[in-house]
Amino acid sequence: EAGVTQFPSHSVIEKGQTVTLRCDPISGHDNLYWYRRVMGKEIKFLLHFVKESKQDESGMPNNRFLAERTGGTYSTLKVQPAELEDSGVYFCASSQETSGSLYNEQFFGPGTRLTVL
Amino acid sequence: GQNIDQPTEMTATEGAIVQINCTYQTSGFNGLFWYQQHAGEAPTFLSYNVLDGLEEKGRFSSFLSRSKGYSYLLLKELQMKDSASYLCAVRDDDYKLSFGAGTTVTVRA
Repeated sequence: EAGVTQFPSHSVIEKGQTVTLRCDPISGHDNLYWYRRVMGKEIKFLLHFVKESKQDESGMPNNRFLAERTGGTYSTLKVQPAELEDSGVYFCASSQETSGSLYNEQFFGPGTRLTVL
Repeated sequence: GQNIDQPTEMTATEGAIVQINCTYQTSGFNGLFWYQQHAGEAPTFLSYNVLDGLEEKGRFSSFLSRSKGYSYLLLKELQMKDSASYLCAVRDDDYKLSFGAGTTVTVRA
C-alpha cells in the first residue's frame, strides 16, 4: 500500500511569488491534515479535512494560505504571496475514520521543504 | 495553549538503553504518540498510549501517566539505525496533534 506522498519535495521561490503544495493521502483515508515545521521549532498543526470539508483550520497563519481538497482525495496548500517567514517544511498526514483503526494514528508524508528568498 | 517539553539531544552507546522523557500541558487529551523521524524523511509511528501504564513493542516501550502529564519512550538494545529524532505528540479532543520539538538521539559505536 502506498504511503502519503507530497509534491514537490523541495521548492525555492522568491518573496511575493505563489507556491502550491500537493498531498496525496493513503487511499481510503477520510482525514487529511497539514502541519508545518519552521526552522528550530516544533511541528505545528495548520488544518484538518474530513473528506472535502474543512473540520478545523485554526492553525492557518493568515489569509495568504489557502487549502483545498476538492473531491475528498488529494489536497493542495497554496501560499500567495509567499513571505520569508513561510519557509519551513510542510507535512501532510492522513488517517482512517476512528472506527477503522485501533489507534487512528496519522501517517505522515515526507514533507515539502519550502524556501522563500 | 499546548506545551510539550522533551530534551533536545541524547547520546548513547550501541547496545545500551535510552529513556526519552516528555511532559505535557494541553487543553485536551485523546492519547499520546511517539514518532521516529530520520533526517529528510516522514515521521513514522512508534507507539500510542491513552491509558496509564506501559506499552511494549519489541525494543521500544512507552509509558504514560495522565495525572502527572508525563510520558517516556524507552529504547532498548540500541542500534546504529536508531539514530533519529523522536517526537512526542499529544492528540487533542479534535484529533489534531501537538508536537514537542523533538529529541535527537545519537547512537555511538
